Amino acid sequence: KAGVTQTPRYLIKTRGQQVTLSCSPISGHRSVSWYQQTPGQGLQFLFEYFSETQRNKGNFPGRFSGRQFSNSRSEMNVSTLELGDSALYLCASSLNRGRGTDTQYFGPGTRLTVL
Amino acid sequence: EDQVTQSPEALRLQEGESSSLNCSYTVSGLRGLFWYRQDPGKGPEFLFTLYSAGEEKEKERLKATLTKKESFLHITAPKPEDSATYLCAVQGAAGNKLTFGGGTRVLVKP
Repeated sequence: KAGVTQTPRYLIKTRGQQVTLSCSPISGHRSVSWYQQTPGQGLQFLFEYFSETQRNKGNFPGRFSGRQFSNSRSEMNVSTLELGDSALYLCASSLNRGRGTDTQYFGPGTRLTVL
Repeated sequence: EDQVTQSPEALRLQEGESSSLNCSYTVSGLRGLFWYRQDPGKGPEFLFTLYSAGEEKEKERLKATLTKKESFLHITAPKPEDSATYLCAVQGAAGNKLTFGGGTRVLVKP
């Protein structure tokens, strides 16, 4: 089975621009979560999507948004980029069988650099 | 609010020198505790899920254990290819969100 894929793998943007990152989950997985990883803050939860609906959101400003499509693929968008948005953005997918523990499998990430 | 603390931050081992990594947590309604391995520039790779205190899981040279407040990842007779950052995360009652610790960077020298 193919793993979680993320595109693009690397991005360089300038302050004030916006960016869209894409994630394709493992086949059959219905839940997609996004995380930001930085050296200072570690891995932090951004949001989770299930059945095209945002189900949970972390403590990030409204400049960070996302969506999920009917085929479970997801995109996240960051508007008005700031230098501090430079990070590795990770997508994770899970089966979400409705009850109990839900193991998340991560993609390789998109490395975003804001200049 | 769920919290996870990992120690030590970094660990240097000689090949064959066994050691343990610690993950302390507070969580409302633990649904699962997860261990991941992350190599530089890559996404975290899933290792184990532990569900309840007393549970143990093993994979090659790695063994994970869980108590009501801590989890340990034991590395037995490590090899240089075990060098990586090991991440611990909890999933609580507030949904699928994972709360991660800061990780332990492990370097195994030949």
